[in-house]
Amino acid sequence: AQKVTQAQTEISVVEKEDVTLDCVYETRDTTYYLFWYKQPPSGELVFLIRRNSFDEQNEISGRYSWNFQKSTSSFNFTITASQVVDSAVYFCALSEANQGGKLIFGQGTELSVKP
Amino acid sequence: DAMVIQNPRYQVTQFGKPVTLSCSQTLNHNVMYWYQQKSSQAPKLLFHYYDKDFNNEADTPDNFQSRRPNTSFCFLDIRSPGLGDAAMYLCATSRFPSGTSASTDTQYFGPGTRLTVL
Repeated sequence: AQKVTQAQTEISVVEKEDVTLDCVYETRDTTYYLFWYKQPPSGELVFLIRRNSFDEQNEISGRYSWNFQKSTSSFNFTITASQVVDSAVYFCALSEANQGGKLIFGQGTELSVKP
Repeated sequence: DAMVIQNPRYQVTQFGKPVTLSCSQTLNHNVMYWYQQKSSQAPKLLFHYYDKDFNNEADTPDNFQSRRPNTSFCFLDIRSPGLGDAAMYLCATSRFPSGTSASTDTQYFGPGTRLTVL
C-alpha cells in the first residue's frame, strides 16, 4: 500500500538556522512521483518540487534543497538559512503512475521560524 | 496570470442546508480535483474529473457531488452538510493525471474555501 510518513509534527528554529524536514514513503510501484508542497497560514498549497522515481539526483533551488534516496525510501527537504517567511506547514506527497494522479499526502510538518 | 480560483474563500452554511463551492481555472488543464482538508490534517482526495470523466474515490460519502460544466469550471455540491463536513476544501488542476514530466501532472492548488457548518 502507498503511504507517506512525516515523523516530525512540529519543528521550531531560530532565523538563519538550517532545518531538514523528513519524508519517508512506501510504494510497490517502480514508477512514482514525489512532491513537496508548502501551506502558509493563508491555506493555499504551493508547489515546491516534483521528482520521479528514476531521477535520484539531488536538487537545489536557492535556499531549498532536496535529497532523494531510493535505498531508504526517503525524500528529505532542507531549508538553509531559514527565514520567518518560511513558517508554514510542509507536506510531502506521493503519486503512483497508474493511480490517476491521486496524491497521497503525509501528515505535514509545521515549521515555525522565530526571529 | 494563469491560476486556480476558488469562490467564496469562506462559506458558512447551516446543518442540512445544501451548499455549492466553486472552482475555476485559467490554466486550460484537463484534470480538476477536489480535496477535503480538516483541521491539522493532510488533504484527502474526494474525486476528480479528467475532461468530462468523473472519478470518485471509494470512500467519498454520497453527500458529496461534483459537476464540471466546461473545462474552466468545477463545482463541489454538499447536499446535506453535517458538522463533520466543516473543513477547508481545496481545488487543484493538472494538465494530465500522470505523465513523464513536471509539466504534465503536477497539481496546482487554489486558495481553498473554508466551510463552516452551524
